[in-house]
Amino acid sequence: NAGVTQTPKFQVLKTGQSMTLQCAQDMNHNSMYWYRQDPGMGLRLIYYSASEGTTDKGEVPNGYNVSRLNKREFSLRLESAAPSQTSVYFCASSVRGTGGNTDTQYFGPGTRLTVL
Amino acid sequence: DAKTTQPTSMDCAEGRAANLPCNHSTISGNEYVYWYRQIHSQGPQYIIHGLKNNETNEMASLIITEDRKSSTLILPHATLRDTAVYYCIVRSIMEYGNKLVFGAGTILRVKS
Repeated sequence: NAGVTQTPKFQVLKTGQSMTLQCAQDMNHNSMYWYRQDPGMGLRLIYYSASEGTTDKGEVPNGYNVSRLNKREFSLRLESAAPSQTSVYFCASSVRGTGGNTDTQYFGPGTRLTVL
Repeated sequence: DAKTTQPTSMDCAEGRAANLPCNHSTISGNEYVYWYRQIHSQGPQYIIHGLKNNETNEMASLIITEDRKSSTLILPHATLRDTAVYYCIVRSIMEYGNKLVFGAGTILRVKS
């Protein structure tokens, strides 16, 4: 049981380049999330997917697109990278607790992206 | 989210219990208390959560006061690897599928 995995671990892009960050979970969770964390700051939600086939914007979606490929995989795409997107990106997945009144998010190890 | 207040930093001797407090005086009846930690350069790690009863798992214990206005996370035998930022988060079921809001947290330094 690997939990939440992310690829790549590190990436350097030039301004204007595109790339896709991959995330997969093997915990059979319905919901998945993409966050970014800038130095010395908290996590900010970019997009999330409450269930397979649905995606919704978080608080900082501009410049990003997502695809919920199937229940396991949730990818984040940068179409035209900008230096302001230099950050650490975390993927997470969550499961509703027993009784349906809680949910717990589990995070991947992160992708460190630098845009020059 | 109900606001939480945590000390900025704490030190703990290796092998001793680390007790991390959190105030959440405006918590409402359907809100849970969650604890996460983030070790340097890693993703946040779920530790424990509770509603009103004390909870224990393999990582920690969570003690919630009877009025639910504060809680304490207890790491019973802290090790150097427990050095991290610890976040206390209050969250309701209405936020299922929604973001977690991390505050500043408490920097816990475990020293040998």
